[in-house]
Amino acid sequence: DSGVTQTPKHLITATGQRVTLRCSPRSGDLSVYWYQQSLDQGLQFLIQYYNGEERAKGNILERFSAQQFPDLHSELNLSSLELGDSALYFCASSVGLSTEAFFGQGTRLTVV
Amino acid sequence: AQSVAQPEDQVNVAEGNPLTVKCTYSVSGNPYLFWYVQYPNRGLQFLLKYITGDNLVKGSYGFEAEFNKSQTSFHLKKPSALVSDSALYFCAVRVDTGGGNKLTFGTGTQLKVEL
Repeated sequence: DSGVTQTPKHLITATGQRVTLRCSPRSGDLSVYWYQQSLDQGLQFLIQYYNGEERAKGNILERFSAQQFPDLHSELNLSSLELGDSALYFCASSVGLSTEAFFGQGTRLTVV
Repeated sequence: AQSVAQPEDQVNVAEGNPLTVKCTYSVSGNPYLFWYVQYPNRGLQFLLKYITGDNLVKGSYGFEAEFNKSQTSFHLKKPSALVSDSALYFCAVRVDTGGGNKLTFGTGTQLKVEL
C-alpha cells in the first residue's frame, strides 16, 4: 500500500457527463500528480500541484481540470466525457519537488 | 525532448534465471531515472531510482539497475527471477519543467517468469 488513496476505484458514466476523481496523498506529501493510462497512449502526465499551486501541465484537455485543496487532497474534474476518455487515471504524490512519486491504485473510468 | 525507450514489449525468463529489462534514455542535462512495476489491477509501485552516485542502484524486491552514461541506458536486473515478478515494468525519466516536474514513461515491458 503506497499510502495514496483514490476514490472511486471504478466509475461508469455516459458520454457528455461530468465526473470528479478524488485523491488523498500520503501523509506529509505536498506534491500531487495526475496521470492517464490508456492502451493507445500509454502513461501520460496530466498535471502537477504543489502545496495548492499548479506547477506543471501536460497534455491535459481543456475539458479536464484539477485543483489541490488546503488539506492537500486533489480532485480531477472531467467534463463533456467522450468514449476516448475511458482510461485508468492515477494520482501520485511526493514529499517535495525532487523526490520519487508514489502512486495510488487508480480510478478506472469507463465512458459508455 | 526528454524520453525513454523500452525496446522489448515482452521478456520471458525461467524462474531462477537472471533477468534484464532494457531501457534507454534521451535527456538534456543530468538524467533522473526511475523504474516502476505494475501488477494487474494495481497502481505503479516504485522500485528504484538513479539521481547521482554509484552506477549500480539497488531497489526493492531484489531488483537493481545499472546506469550507463556512455550507452544512455538504465537496465533493470535481478539475479534470480521469481514467478511472482511477472508484471508490467516501466522505465521513466523525470523532466523538470521550471517550477515543477513530471515523469515521462516508456511504453512498458511485460515480464513473464515461468516455472
